[in-house]
Amino acid sequence: TQLLEQSPQFLSIQEGENLTVYCNSSSVFSSLQWYRQEPGEGPVLLVTVVTGGEVKKLKRLTFQFGDARKDSSLHITAAQPGDTGLYLCAGGKAAGNKLTFGGGTRVLVKP
Amino acid sequence: NAGVTQTPKFQVLKTGQSMTLQCAQDMNHEYMSWYRQDPGMGLRLIHYSVGAGITDQGEVPNGYNVSRSTTEDFPLRLLSAAPSQTSVYFCASSYSMGEGGLFFGSGTQLSVL
Repeated sequence: TQLLEQSPQFLSIQEGENLTVYCNSSSVFSSLQWYRQEPGEGPVLLVTVVTGGEVKKLKRLTFQFGDARKDSSLHITAAQPGDTGLYLCAGGKAAGNKLTFGGGTRVLVKP
Repeated sequence: NAGVTQTPKFQVLKTGQSMTLQCAQDMNHEYMSWYRQDPGMGLRLIHYSVGAGITDQGEVPNGYNVSRSTTEDFPLRLLSAAPSQTSVYFCASSYSMGEGGLFFGSGTQLSVL
């Protein structure tokens, strides 16, 4: 059983549609990071959230950290084929502690 | 900037063979780590280092050795490869233990027959 559960595992949508990916845990995290990984490459950091209830926006991507710091979501507005990839969340329990990764959500945006 | 460089990109081994996966970073990061990625399981931490001369075990360390003689390099050694070690391996570095985000290499796809 993973400490961080991501859902759904796979999402296929048409260009222009919206999507939301979830990252849930029964544990409290001091920070939560989101990464995007493309085939044949390593994950690339998108954002870090550290405050309960925090919302961060990166162009068409909106990231939210739950009030209790146990969950997070990633919402993409008007998805484009370039948003295709594996989205990973990673949580840190305290400063200086190792990151724990979720299992990932594979997103496919069809033109 | 090169960032995190991993070699080789692909490798096929026979059971029992040994090999070293190379990782180098040019960002003067103190923290370096090795992960393996298997379908549906995300990234699992193998070993990590918080500085030259200091290493520690992660979640799945068995069958792997590491050393950190310089800030730049963090090689991962497979002592006697097993089919269960077939995976994609990623090296990552950061200023701290990943708090500000990890910088990843492009990975090594390893198959053990």
